[in-house]
Amino acid sequence: NAGVTQTPKFQVLKTGQSMTLQCAQDMNHEYMSWYRQDPGMGLRLIHYSVGAGITDQGEVPNGYNVSRSTTEDFPLRLLSAAPSQTSVYFCASTEATNYGYTFGSGTRLTVV
Amino acid sequence: AQSVTQPDIHITVSEGASLELRCNYSYGATPYLFWYVQSPGQGLQLLLKYFSGDTLVQGIKGFEAEFKRSQSSFNLRKPSVHWSDAAEYFCAVGSGTYKYIFGTGTRLKVLA
Repeated sequence: NAGVTQTPKFQVLKTGQSMTLQCAQDMNHEYMSWYRQDPGMGLRLIHYSVGAGITDQGEVPNGYNVSRSTTEDFPLRLLSAAPSQTSVYFCASTEATNYGYTFGSGTRLTVV
Repeated sequence: AQSVTQPDIHITVSEGASLELRCNYSYGATPYLFWYVQSPGQGLQLLLKYFSGDTLVQGIKGFEAEFKRSQSSFNLRKPSVHWSDAAEYFCAVGSGTYKYIFGTGTRLKVLA
């Protein structure tokens, strides 16, 4: 099915470990974003991209890196995991600002 | 500062009753407004959106929302709630960028 695919769905990391959350979309959307969802805080923007090779920081970028080498893929890297990064992470894409984002099903990350 | 407020954390309604979920925003530019629904363990699904034109917008699953500029509100309504509507609902606001701001969500419980 067309849409936004996130892998893995669940992950447990130890403090200090690194990992990459994968995100791929097959809708040829130029615009992609990463959000984290924490109880009582809604969704907060981590990083976003307006096209291949172009990324920028959102509201909570510290501890995360992104790159966008292709239109389809937008991986999120945790450089040195901390317990504060325990969260549910959502990747989303859209073809225009007024269309609304299409979200992936999320990655639930626990850092111990 | 730009913000979105969903004043109701939890709402409980009986099946068949009407529903209104409140959303207030503070945004300097002409906003794009969205409502999303999230079922447990799932990603967010776009219910409806407003960016211009008729201030009463229709969405999927029988939902509608009304944009009231004078009140800075974009409340979500449904005339008759079904048990399957139990979920968490998020209001979001954006503009000419991709930095959508999300509210903290309203969790809807439906009584049989």
